[in-house]
Amino acid sequence: AQSVTQPDIHITVSEGASLELRCNYSYGATPYLFWYVQSPGQGLQLLLKYFSGDTLVQGIKGFEAEFKRSQSSFNLRKPSVHWSDAAEYFCAVGARVTNTGFQKLVFGTGTRLLVSP
Amino acid sequence: DGGITQSPKYLFRKEGQNVTLSCEQNLNHDAMYWYRQDPGQGLRLIYYSQIVNDFQKGDIAEGYSVSREKKESFPLTVTSAQKNPTAFYLCASIKRRGEAPGELFFGEGSRLTVL
Repeated sequence: AQSVTQPDIHITVSEGASLELRCNYSYGATPYLFWYVQSPGQGLQLLLKYFSGDTLVQGIKGFEAEFKRSQSSFNLRKPSVHWSDAAEYFCAVGARVTNTGFQKLVFGTGTRLLVSP
Repeated sequence: DGGITQSPKYLFRKEGQNVTLSCEQNLNHDAMYWYRQDPGQGLRLIYYSQIVNDFQKGDIAEGYSVSREKKESFPLTVTSAQKNPTAFYLCASIKRRGEAPGELFFGEGSRLTVL
């Protein structure tokens, strides 16, 4: 069964510094990978997704992620963090479960980003 | 604007009571989902529905029930059989796009507290 590991529960970054959030997945076939962001008490918003093709994907709000098959990783990066980026970030892997095309997303436990002045 | 509406946003319940959380979408999406979120555990799938009048159990369906009588609506009932119902509940939907997973759209969630 597929799984996602986000090894960092909390990360604190200074405003203006670079950011990298780690994500490792386990899945037997080609994965569909996602990063979502959640502000406190809110739903999740998609930052970016990887289905195939170029392994470096660009998302909204200046985020990017790189798919590395050899490392089973899909780390999220941002060159310069803004205070408004403080939130919780979730990595997810999707897969087709049945022949009907049902899509199941499995989420990691999340990484909470704190931004210091 | 299209989106997913969850209500109520906050709900308090006494032990032993059933409670129903509403989820309505006007995105014309086919599939709908209910996830439960607990601190440090990420999101766990409760139930999902691919089409009207059909739904399937997810990973943690015990103590929950759903219905899908209309394409737009996917209410979740938290029954008294759910041992630890206090949590943040998220409804989501997706437009089926062949066989490739697409973007999941989320509502803003409902926080249930059992007193």
